[in-house]
Amino acid sequence: GAGVSQSPSNKVTEKGKDVELRCDPISGHTALYWYRQSLGQGLEFLIYFQGNSAPDKSGLPSDRFSAERTGGSVSTLTIQRTQQEDSAVYLCASSPSRDLTYEQYFGPGTRLTVT
Amino acid sequence: GNSVTQMEGPVTLSEEAFLTINCTYTATGYPSLFWYVQYPGEGLQLLLKATKADDKGSNKGFEATYRKETTSFHLEKGSVQVSDSAVYFCALKGDSSASKIIFGSGTRLSIRP
Repeated sequence: GAGVSQSPSNKVTEKGKDVELRCDPISGHTALYWYRQSLGQGLEFLIYFQGNSAPDKSGLPSDRFSAERTGGSVSTLTIQRTQQEDSAVYLCASSPSRDLTYEQYFGPGTRLTVT
Repeated sequence: GNSVTQMEGPVTLSEEAFLTINCTYTATGYPSLFWYVQYPGEGLQLLLKATKADDKGSNKGFEATYRKETTSFHLEKGSVQVSDSAVYFCALKGDSSASKIIFGSGTRLSIRP
């Protein structure tokens, strides 16, 4: 079946512009996560959605970052007024359960470059 | 807070060599531990996991044992192949109330034919 998909795969933007990154999780997966992977760094948790519950936004680095999940499926991560330090690979993952011992299924990521 | 420290890479080995990638953690209570792998051009995928002390996770010839006394979860394989070349991430989930997994910085493994 289809895995997690993300678009675009690559995005180059000028400093100060807004960007939107999209994630299509696996159908039926209730949990959705966004992570950021900077060069040479581990995965940095950004935000977590579980069903209709309020999202866990504790990992968002600043108020320039926001995310929404419409209809419990597709999610969009928005970065406003991008800065060069926002350059990274943004990964989305989904899981069939809120139990974190279940596997998270990762998308291929969106590589964001801010010039 | 919870954290994961793993061996810095890159690690380069010859085919059929023995592999160890070290991972230690800091956490209160009884965390669950994971190894994820990212093959070139692919997304991360779960390699193995262990949810309680002394459990051994295994998959594709890789093993890791949850050692609470040494707070470690080292990844091992007896004979690596070129196809094992990838980036390996150790990860931790804290107690039952935790809503996120904490990942290590990753170890890049390259296997020479």
